[in-house]
Amino acid sequence: GIQVEQSPPDLILQEGANSTLRCNFSDSVNNLQWFHQNPWGQLINLFYIPSGTKQNGRLSATTVATERYSLLYISSSQTTDSGVYFCAVERTGSARQLTFGSGTQLTVLP
Amino acid sequence: DTAVSQTPKYLVTQMGNDKSIKCEQNLGHDTMYWYKQDSKKFLKIMFSYNNKELIINETVPNRFSPKSPDKAHLNLHINSLELGDSAVYFCASSQGYPTSRYNEQFFGPGTRLTVL
Repeated sequence: GIQVEQSPPDLILQEGANSTLRCNFSDSVNNLQWFHQNPWGQLINLFYIPSGTKQNGRLSATTVATERYSLLYISSSQTTDSGVYFCAVERTGSARQLTFGSGTQLTVLP
Repeated sequence: DTAVSQTPKYLVTQMGNDKSIKCEQNLGHDTMYWYKQDSKKFLKIMFSYNNKELIINETVPNRFSPKSPDKAHLNLHINSLELGDSAVYFCASSQGYPTSRYNEQFFGPGTRLTVL
């Protein structure tokens, strides 16, 4: 099956700092989603981004499908950004099956 | 609110019991899923149903059986619970064709199952 690798596994920031999270995948995809799992365990959709660049407030994401990676940018981080960020991909032809990376644990300190 | 909902949120039970988790979506989606998140937070798909038909069944023990009475509901029944079944179970749904974002998945709040 498809391999999804996220880096870094852990990230600690001071409030106000910027960060970049990376997701590498091993095969062609027709879906890539970024999720934030907050401290209460809820999975929140951040981006649906199989290709291209999108922005939503302080967050933006870029997927370069031909090079098999995606980046999630968080600017001016806030303590509420803490949690685990997951990248999930659907390999082309896999019948909408999402394969998740192992996540990046982000801690934003006040 | 339009959403994916699950009940119960927490489930604590003894080994050997049979339990069910219910999922409902009011988004009008045509495909629903069950995922399992283990203690290391790794998420893995278990089942997928499209218009009440099973389309994905990963290597899950046959003690787990999904049941979809209609497009808006996908329940998970677990027989003879084992200690290793303790995990968080997430339900999800996606809209389906012919929409452009047919495969974007939305997740429920999760059900934390603890087997004692």
